[in-house]
Amino acid sequence: QKEVEQNSGPLSVPEGAIASLNCTYSDRGSQSFFWYRQYSGKSPELIMFIYSNGDKEDGRFTAQLNKASQYVSLLIRDSQPSDSATYLCAVKEAGGTSYGKLTFGQGTILTVHP
Amino acid sequence: DAGVTQSPTHLIKTRGQQVTLRCSPKSGHDTVSWYQQALGQGPQFIFQYYEEEERQRGNFPDRFSGHQFPNYSSELNVNALLLGDSALYLCASRGQGNIQYFGAGTRLSVL
Repeated sequence: QKEVEQNSGPLSVPEGAIASLNCTYSDRGSQSFFWYRQYSGKSPELIMFIYSNGDKEDGRFTAQLNKASQYVSLLIRDSQPSDSATYLCAVKEAGGTSYGKLTFGQGTILTVHP
Repeated sequence: DAGVTQSPTHLIKTRGQQVTLRCSPKSGHDTVSWYQQALGQGPQFIFQYYEEEERQRGNFPDRFSGHQFPNYSSELNVNALLLGDSALYLCASRGQGNIQYFGAGTRLSVL
């Protein structure tokens, strides 16, 4: 059973701080990694994807990937109360029979307090 | 450009009934996946449809079935509903780079 693990939190940070969200995965052959944000009662919204080792930055968001350690993280700089949501880590299965199936972690609840 | 659309938004059924959920993918997308998200959990993959065929399936019983139409829209059918089938059902269509775009979901309550 291929797994994706996240700390469920809640993670609480003050406004303006850096929020750090972590994710580990079991499928060593995985090549594609995604972070989704999900507000309460809403559907997941893609905020970042990363395919290569290292860092990828997009505005206040930075995704970090370390395939050797099977570890993905998301940093949110200058956190705002509007960033309060559940953050889902998703991994695309490796292998020829995988057509884009995503395996999700259980999500980390982030609360940014003023 | 319309995104992924799902209907209905909410549904209440009783145990043993059958339900059909509908999804239209984003324009230009031909692959549709269905996920089940229980409260407090991440989405779980049910199955994926491409060219009107089920191409991959997750660990769900045969009570869960689907269909894809020539216009790429899709249906998810669940028979003999159980209380445990209560969840948010998400449809996703696949774009470039295997990026999946989710619809707003259908909230199913089984009483």
